[in-house]
Amino acid sequence: VQLQESGPGLVKPSETLSLNCTVSGGPMSTYYWSWIRQPPGKGLEWIGYVYSSGSTNYNPSLKSRVTISIDTSKKQFSLKLSSVTAADTAVYYCARLMGVLWAFDIWGQGTMVTVSS
Amino acid sequence: EIVLTQSPGTLSLSPGERATLSCRASQSVSSSYLAWYQQKPGQAPRLLIYGASSRATGIPDRFSGSGSGTDFTLTISRLEPGDFALYYCQQYGNSPLTFGGGTKVEIK
Repeated sequence: VQLQESGPGLVKPSETLSLNCTVSGGPMSTYYWSWIRQPPGKGLEWIGYVYSSGSTNYNPSLKSRVTISIDTSKKQFSLKLSSVTAADTAVYYCARLMGVLWAFDIWGQGTMVTVSS
Repeated sequence: EIVLTQSPGTLSLSPGERATLSCRASQSVSSSYLAWYQQKPGQAPRLLIYGASSRATGIPDRFSGSGSGTDFTLTISRLEPGDFALYYCQQYGNSPLTFGGGTKVEIK
């Protein structure tokens, strides 16, 4: 199974950051598909996940600005983060979260998103 | 929110030495929901340990995890050159899912 992030590398302040993650080599069913970010030189922050059924769970710190959705026919899931500021500048990773074990076993390579005018 | 505190922040060791990394939780975490990751510069994290003590696929047996409740440990029995990296613990016993701040294992 492989994951590949795609989307703009530069977003203007106050706009919406949009990223896609394409899943190849395996099914989307019975897994939780997640977004995690890492600001330059800092640690990892979980953003949220979407289950294959479409149900979601978000980090309360970002919940008011985040939407994660899934399109199993395209084998993609997506992240939208609204009203971005410079604090949202980070490497964004998509990852597969194993239910029951609750660990991320597959990660995308990550994509750097810079928020700047 | 469960806060995971990793210590030390940096561990300076030589190849062949034993590394012991600590992850302390602000509340009890079910052992089933504690994982460890390795991250090298410019790369995504890689799952090492899940369920506190089970090695992920392809992870060599020099990596081992232990602990319960609020105290968890990742041990690397004999450091190899490729093991010098950042290590993170992660829990999802309670939402939100959280990561520790990381421990850097560097060459002495």
